[in-house]
Amino acid sequence: EADIYQTPRYLVIGTGKKITLECSQTMGHDKMYWYQQDPGMELHLIHYSYGVNSTEKGDLSSESTVSRIRTEHFPLTLESARPSHTSQYLCASSATVTEAFFGQGTRLTVV
Amino acid sequence: AQSVTQLDSQVPVFEEAPVELRCNYSSSVSVYLFWYVQYPNQGLQLLLKYLSGSTLVKGINGFEAEFNKSQTSFHLRKPSVHISDTAEYFCAVSRSNDYKLSFGAGTTVTVRA
Repeated sequence: EADIYQTPRYLVIGTGKKITLECSQTMGHDKMYWYQQDPGMELHLIHYSYGVNSTEKGDLSSESTVSRIRTEHFPLTLESARPSHTSQYLCASSATVTEAFFGQGTRLTVV
Repeated sequence: AQSVTQLDSQVPVFEEAPVELRCNYSSSVSVYLFWYVQYPNQGLQLLLKYLSGSTLVKGINGFEAEFNKSQTSFHLRKPSVHISDTAEYFCAVSRSNDYKLSFGAGTTVTVRA
């Protein structure tokens, strides 16, 4: 069983609020990722990190930001949430190119 | 860049019947191919992967997939499904020297008794 955790699992929040989605892994993986998942659509990579103090934007433009101060922690922040940010956010980590481990996701609803 | 097309968005199937989920990819470079499964309210779990070698790969829970380079396909099959196989299935591809995955839109499999 993968040791990668996301909190909260569900979040309903008002427009304009600042939110942080947490992601932690205990496997010591250098590589971590954030994907955005909407029903019937591809998972889109929005951020990734190949190590501490390294972050890059993914293929899908996102207004969110990330940080990687510790190997095990890769939080995602939205400074001002909008209804267009409503989605499911999946965090993943990997040590090799051959397998990524995913958290259970955070389902965000902005009202 | 690589892209993935899953040809079926929904596949209803009866219990103990076979199922095939189709996946095509496009890439100008050598790739690795994956199938992930997502059970309701869960994250993604790796079913199987093709890296190199034998084109028929076997995964967990009785699933297998065949890599066809000439047709750029990686179709997933199971000879006899169970109710517990009800889930969403994602095909994914990565360049062989890259950690980032590109996913298809998913296929929802619903198994009925």
